[in-house]
Amino acid sequence: EAQVTQNPRYLITVTGKKLTVTCSQNMNHEYMSWYRQDPGLGLRQIYYSMNVEVTDKGDVPEGYKVSRKEKRNFPLILESPSPNQTSLYFCASGSEVGQFFGPGTRLTVL
Amino acid sequence: QKEVEQDPGPLSVPEGAIVSLNCTYSNSAFQYFMWYRQYSRKGPELLMYTYSSGNKEDGRFTAQVDKSSKYISLFIRDSQPSDSATYLCATELYGNKLVFGAGTILRVKS
Repeated sequence: EAQVTQNPRYLITVTGKKLTVTCSQNMNHEYMSWYRQDPGLGLRQIYYSMNVEVTDKGDVPEGYKVSRKEKRNFPLILESPSPNQTSLYFCASGSEVGQFFGPGTRLTVL
Repeated sequence: QKEVEQDPGPLSVPEGAIVSLNCTYSNSAFQYFMWYRQYSRKGPELLMYTYSSGNKEDGRFTAQVDKSSKYISLFIRDSQPSDSATYLCATELYGNKLVFGAGTILRVKS
């Protein structure tokens, strides 16, 4: 089954404790992206990657890092999480006919 | 001004009604237009994908793009309670970079 998977699905952490959210796709897509979704603000792009070892900032990259060492994986790293990063995070991978989203990771930073 | 504007709703309709969901966008360079459906606690799923102006029909769903007025519409015929979800319009800038509207909450009452 073609899919995008994310882990963990739910995470509660404290300010400053480094965390990584994993994302994996099995559709052989070159393009992958991370979004955050907040009430009233919709989906906003954090980082994206056009291919292995190629990443670029989206609209809200501050406080986040990514890496793309393999085509299928695109982890999101929060080196020092803060409460304003409490949000619902989605990973997506894309083709020329649209993007396919993972199930989401709900992150709470206390 | 946001690049893509969308009324957040909620929009409540009786079962069987025709639903009209709309977005406006500001950048005339947008060429690709998409509608995503997002159920509660799920990731967005691609519903319709259109290029440039015109209509595209898929079952009970019709997507319409009017580039002259920068207006995007999604029509749902014979709406069902299972159509209750948040509908997100999106446009593509380049290289799969999507710009989303904030989403419209639709409730179809049986």
